[in-house]
Amino acid sequence: NAGVTQTPKFRVLKTGQSMTLLCAQDMNHEYMYWYRQDPGMGLRLIHYSVGEGTTAKGEVPDGYNVSRLKKQNFLLGLESAAPSQTSVYFCASSGLATGELFFGEGSRLTVL
Amino acid sequence: GENVEQHPSTLSVQEGDSAVIKCTYSDSASNYFPWYKQELGKRPQLIIDIRSNVGEKKDQRIAVTLNKTAKHFSLHITETQPEDSAVYFCAATPGAGNMLTFGGGTRLMVKP
Repeated sequence: NAGVTQTPKFRVLKTGQSMTLLCAQDMNHEYMYWYRQDPGMGLRLIHYSVGEGTTAKGEVPDGYNVSRLKKQNFLLGLESAAPSQTSVYFCASSGLATGELFFGEGSRLTVL
Repeated sequence: GENVEQHPSTLSVQEGDSAVIKCTYSDSASNYFPWYKQELGKRPQLIIDIRSNVGEKKDQRIAVTLNKTAKHFSLHITETQPEDSAVYFCAATPGAGNMLTFGGGTRLMVKP
């Protein structure tokens, strides 16, 4: 039982490049989330999903896209990376909207 | 949407002392208030939560209090130990279908 797994854990991009972060959970959770964490800013929600095939915008969705084609996977895409997207990205899942969030280990992205 | 303010941003205490972290929220419809602990370089993990029908909840050395009238809730840690050193995040949500909004975090340092 791995919980929530994120790949890759580290990535360096040049401005304008694209990439996809993959989140996988093996707890059969309905809800999945992508957060970014910046120093002094706490955790800010980028996008979330309440079930397979559904996605919704969070607090800071601009510059990101997501897809939830399978219940266990939630992908976060950056089409044209910018230095402002340098951050640590956390994926999380929960069985209920107001239940415990289980976080992945985080993915550190640097955009040069 | 919901706005969560957290204070203080940093807190230093001597081992054995108590620590209190306070949060205020803006949405009177919020009814679920979790607290997460994030150790350096690790993922956030839930340590305690409280729902709006309860005023206080305790789990060993940690407790959370909720004042719905004033729209604030607090985390209390007694008999602090060096392993309590971490960043603590409060959060709030109005419930199903709504986002969980995090406060900016409090860095707690427990000096031996």
